[in-house]
Formats: sequence, C-alpha cells, structure tokens
Amino acid sequence: DADVTQTPRNRITKTGKRIMLECSQTKGHDRMYWYRQDPGLGLRLIYYSFDVKDINKGEISDGYSVSRQAQAKFSLSLESAIPNQTALYFCATSDPDGSSYNEQFFGPGTRLTVL
Amino acid sequence: KNEVEQSPQNLTAQEGEFITINCSYSVGISALHWLQQHPGGGIVSLFMLSSGKKKHGRLIATINIQEKHSSLHITASHPRDSAVYICAVDTQGAQKLVFGQGTRLTINP
Repeated sequence: DADVTQTPRNRITKTGKRIMLECSQTKGHDRMYWYRQDPGLGLRLIYYSFDVKDINKGEISDGYSVSRQAQAKFSLSLESAIPNQTALYFCATSDPDGSSYNEQFFGPGTRLTVL
Repeated sequence: KNEVEQSPQNLTAQEGEFITINCSYSVGISALHWLQQHPGGGIVSLFMLSSGKKKHGRLIATINIQEKHSSLHITASHPRDSAVYICAVDTQGAQKLVFGQGTRLTINP
C-alpha cells in the first residue's frame, strides 16, 4: 500500500463549490505539505504543517484553507472554487529527524478541474 | 527571476544518448534534491545531496556549492527515462523546498 494517499484522485467541480482534498500518510512523519502544480510553473507551496498544532501559509495560500486533523491526516479546502484553481495538487510528507535535509515523499496527486 | 532555474525546459534525445539537465539556484541551501515525475503524475525522489556527487545505476547527480549549480546526468538513456525531472533546494533555515519549473525529457527509441 502507498505510504501517502490522496483522495479524490480526480475531481471536476463548478465555480463557487466547496471542495476538500484529503491526504493520509502511514510514514509517521510530522511534517506535511500541500502543493499545486501548473504547467510551466513548477510546484508551489500552499500550506504546510510541522505538527498537529502547527499550520503555516505557503506562497500561494489565498483561496485555500487546511486542517491537520491528526498526525496522519492533512486536508486542503477550497471554500469557493474558481477556474484558476484548476491544477494538479500534491500532498507530501517529510521527517528531517534532526538534520537539515528535507526529503519529501509525495502522494499520487489530485487533478482538480473547476468549470 | 526564480530562485531555482532549470535548463533546458524540454529535451528530446535518442535512446542511448548521454543526457544532462542543469539546475542553478540563487539562495543559500542546505541540500539539493532531484525528483522524477512520470507521465502518470507521481513524484519520486531520486537524489538528495549537499556536496560532491551521487550515483544510482545510470543516474549521476553532481553539485558545485561555490557555483550554486547542480547537474543530473543519465547514461545510456532509455525510453523509460522519459519523465519530468525537477530540481528543488532546501533553503537554509526555511525548512521548505523551493522548486525549479522542471525539465521534460523524452527519449525516443
């Protein structure tokens, strides 16, 4: 079974709808991240969490919110989806374990289309 | 200007060719990562390095900290190497990764 899972894998929705993307991990990592990927722009950080009580905005957090329900679960919400939020969304985890290295383990991605 | 720049953005080659993908960065880093994203979308980590050179099979990654530059080489390229290769840097103190825009590699048989 995959260590980092995302649901749903694909979603088509309409402008104005509320959408939740879910991420679960079995790696036991404290750190979790949400990214979006757009063609030609690379991965951009939306939100990140270093433990259950820690939530931080990334570079493109406007229009998004997150919830860290447990160490293993980190959800991303779009309160009122708009077409320019159409993208591929990735969840990732890491556990630097005292080092400054930050190898990240990615989920399979969620392809979101907002019409 | 992006903090992490990759070149080329697209690369097409014939099977067997030696491939080089470059990554330059403008910030202080504690480590540099090379990632691979296959057409299905999944992203996997290939290398994490802070100095020198690492080798896994036909893949070699090098980094020159003074020049703020890293290269990913693929020897004896194969169509299954076709993917997007992403460079990312672990910025000093920030504990976040900053990503390049990716290099789309296509290896033709």
